[in-house]
Amino acid sequence: NAGVTQTPKFRVLKTGQSMTLLCAQDMNHEYMYWYRQDPGMGLRLIHYSVGEGTTAKGEVPDGYNVSRLKKQNFLLGLESAAPSQTSVYFCASRASGGKETQYFGPGTRLLVL
Amino acid sequence: GESVGLHLPTLSVQEGDNSIINCAYSNSASDYFIWYKQESGKGPQFIIDIRSNMDKRQGQRVTVLLNKTVKHLSLQIAATQPGDSAVYFCADTGPRGSARQLTFGSGTQLTVLP
Repeated sequence: NAGVTQTPKFRVLKTGQSMTLLCAQDMNHEYMYWYRQDPGMGLRLIHYSVGEGTTAKGEVPDGYNVSRLKKQNFLLGLESAAPSQTSVYFCASRASGGKETQYFGPGTRLLVL
Repeated sequence: GESVGLHLPTLSVQEGDNSIINCAYSNSASDYFIWYKQESGKGPQFIIDIRSNMDKRQGQRVTVLLNKTVKHLSLQIAATQPGDSAVYFCADTGPRGSARQLTFGSGTQLTVLP
């Protein structure tokens, strides 16, 4: 049981390039979330999903798109990367009902030049 | 929008002493709160949670206190150890029935001195 995993661990992009961050969870969780964390700050929600095939915007969705084609995967896309998107990205998942605790992946560090 | 914030950005304690980390929240409709620990280069790790119908909850070496009157949370760590050095975040999941997205405070850096 690996929990929540993220790919890649680190990436450098040039302004205007695109990329996709992959999040996978093996806990059969319904809910999945993408956050970004900037230096000295807490995590801010980008997008989230309440189940396979659904997505919704969070606090800071601009410049990002997401897809949840399979229950266990949640993809975060940057169509045209900007330096302001330099950050550490965390994925999280949680079960539906009962406990609302979110479990986090190890993060993806993204540098946009 | 509503936010969760922390009183102090840094806290240094001697090994073996007790640590107290504070957090203020503003969403009076929130009914569930979580404390996370984040070590350098890692994702947040669940420590303890508490529902709004409770005032206190204890775990292993950790206690969370909730004061709904003043919208204040605290995390107490007993006999602080070097491995406790990390950034601690409180998070608010919003009211029951919402998608339960977390609103994080900015974090407190706990440093344990030898």
